[in-house]
Amino acid sequence: GDSVTQMEGPVTLSEEAFLTINCTYTATGYPSLFWYVQYPGEGLQLLLKATKADDKGSNKGFEATYRKETTSFHLEKGSVQVSDSAVYFCALNYNNNDMRFGAGTRLTVKP
Amino acid sequence: DTAVSQTPKYLVTQMGNDKSIKCEQNLGHDTMYWYKQDSKKFLKIMFSYNNKELIINETVPNRFSPKSPDKAHLNLHINSLELGDSAVYFCASSQDQGYYGYTFGSGTRLTVV
Repeated sequence: GDSVTQMEGPVTLSEEAFLTINCTYTATGYPSLFWYVQYPGEGLQLLLKATKADDKGSNKGFEATYRKETTSFHLEKGSVQVSDSAVYFCALNYNNNDMRFGAGTRLTVKP
Repeated sequence: DTAVSQTPKYLVTQMGNDKSIKCEQNLGHDTMYWYKQDSKKFLKIMFSYNNKELIINETVPNRFSPKSPDKAHLNLHINSLELGDSAVYFCASSQDQGYYGYTFGSGTRLTVV
């Protein structure tokens, strides 16, 4: 079935470091792809999305590009801040089924 | 103005009790969901309602029963609570069945003692 696999955490970085969180997907067609962020004690918030191949989603300095050839949607940020510490979820939605989430990657950014 | 609101935020109860969690969305979305998040942050879909009609009912014990009185509300009733039901429960909503993403509530942390 449709699924996403994201890199296991936790990930610990120093402030201003470059961030990459890998995400690959399996789907029979062309799903919409998403990154959500969950700050401590809160619900998930949509961070960015891409609905077709080669689309780039971006928000708050985060970016991810929908790569059909590698079935990937890696999340990147050029310079992380302490306030970016959270759990990040990759997800896909295909054929109007329920959103399928990855296992989440915990990011901790140290000053 | 909260888009998806859940109540209560925290719920501590004894084994065997029956409890309900309420969810309301003011976004005009046509689909609402219940997800369970375990202690390792893994998210599992439980139920999905589209315009008051159940469209997803994953393998969930029948002690869990969703109720949607109208398309802006989706409540979750749990009978005979067990220790293993302890988790964070999230309500979410979407338009166009999630093509553009979901909006989540802030969660209800259920602790069964």
